[in-house]
Amino acid sequence: QSALTQPASVSGSPGQSITISCTGTSNDVGSYNLVSWYQRHPGKAPKLMIYDVSKRPSGVSNRFSGSKSGNTASLTISGLQAEDEADYYCCSYASSTTSYVVFGGGTKLTVL
Amino acid sequence: EVQLVESGGGLVQPGGSLRLSCAASGFTFSSYWMHWVRQAPGKGLVWVSRVNSDESSTTYADSVKGRFTISRDNAKNTLYLQMNSLRAEDTAVYYCAREYSGYDYWFDPWGQGTLVTVSS
Repeated sequence: QSALTQPASVSGSPGQSITISCTGTSNDVGSYNLVSWYQRHPGKAPKLMIYDVSKRPSGVSNRFSGSKSGNTASLTISGLQAEDEADYYCCSYASSTTSYVVFGGGTKLTVL
Repeated sequence: EVQLVESGGGLVQPGGSLRLSCAASGFTFSSYWMHWVRQAPGKGLVWVSRVNSDESSTTYADSVKGRFTISRDNAKNTLYLQMNSLRAEDTAVYYCAREYSGYDYWFDPWGQGTLVTVSS
């Protein structure tokens, strides 16, 4: 059981927008702007897509955006492309645990 | 190119030991905090351990405390994870990752991972 809750899968057609949610508690997502998102293609290294809830690292497409409302963070991908098909993981600082960070269970994005 | 490459994974019997390595290149390794994160088959990512830039401070997940030891050799640009008293539940792909700055709580880049299988 992961500390943060993500949907197991989402799907969308090329060109569409999708949103992946990441639900935590007031001890993590809800109280700290320390949410990050990672993309992982099979057999590849996870890649940072968003940090500090909504900041995008240099080199990451502006089709990727992050936001937060209450205890739920979200990753939105607009203009879906085939190469976006991957697993996505959210991550947050959590004050209620001795773990440095906590992760979500991951969401498999399928581009139809 | 900033890069992390893990090695040292393999099959080990319960109770056995293994040492993972993570070779860093393309950046000033000695300036960054480093982490190990693992993913068991069919499960999500789980943070394992962290070491600060000069190895003066380390922290561990409760599940590995007392069994795993994180260390680094800044002269060799290499991060290590010594894993002792291994259990079946330690079976996972182990990733090393760089934290941008201490207490930033985000990681970039990550390595591709090395698989550790604990089984008799």
